[in-house]
Amino acid sequence: GAGVSQSPSNKVTEKGKDVELRCDPISGHTALYWYRQSLGQGLEFLIYFQGNSAPDKSGLPSDRFSAERTGGSVSTLTIQRTQQEDSAVYLCASSLGVHNEQFFGPGTRLTVL
Amino acid sequence: QKEVEQDPGPLSVPEGAIVSLNCTYSNSAFQYFMWYRQYSRKGPELLMYTYSSGNKEDGRFTAQVDKSSKYISLFIRDSQPSDSATYLCAGTYNAGNMLTFGGGTRLMVKP
Repeated sequence: GAGVSQSPSNKVTEKGKDVELRCDPISGHTALYWYRQSLGQGLEFLIYFQGNSAPDKSGLPSDRFSAERTGGSVSTLTIQRTQQEDSAVYLCASSLGVHNEQFFGPGTRLTVL
Repeated sequence: QKEVEQDPGPLSVPEGAIVSLNCTYSNSAFQYFMWYRQYSRKGPELLMYTYSSGNKEDGRFTAQVDKSSKYISLFIRDSQPSDSATYLCAGTYNAGNMLTFGGGTRLMVKP
C-alpha cells in the first residue's frame, strides 16, 4: 500500500518568510510524528499527534514552529519568520497506534536563504 | 552527552563481509529499540524493531539489545553493495512515543 507522503519535496525560501510543510500519513495510522534532520544535530523529534489527544509539542524548538492535524489524517507543519538555522530535512512518520513502529516519509528539504 | 551515541563512520567493508554496527544509550527507561536504514536523500526505512533485551533475526539482519550494558547492535551478514547507506539506531520508552536517534553510521560496502 501507499506509504507516508510529504510535500513539497524541496522548498527554498527567504529568511523571514513563513512556510508550510504537508504530511499524508499511511491510511488508518492514528499516530503522526514530525522530526527534523540536520547535519549538526542529527534526527530530532519535533511534535507528536495521537488520535484526538492533545499533541506532544515538547520537541518544538521555538514558538515560530506549530503543527496541525486535521480530521485525524493530514498534518501541516508551519514555520513562521524562517531563519537560516531552520534549514534542514523535515521528516514525517506515522504508526498504527501507540505500540507500533513508525514509518517515515521521504522528507521535505527546506533551505532558508 | 547525547542520549543515544553512534560512531559516525564511515565504515568501509568488502562485499560479503559481516558488518557490526553499534550504539550505546544512557536512558535506562528505554524499552523499545529500532534500526533504520537511510539512503542518500531518502527517508529512514525501518529495518528491525525489538523490545527489551535479546536478539531478533530477519534474513541477513540480526539485532541485539543488552539493557544491562545499554548497548544495541545490528549485524549484517553477507553484506552487499546495496547495503551501503546510513544506519540509524533509536530508542524510546513506549513504541508510540517519540524516538531518540543516534547520529547514524555511514556504511560503505565495496564490490
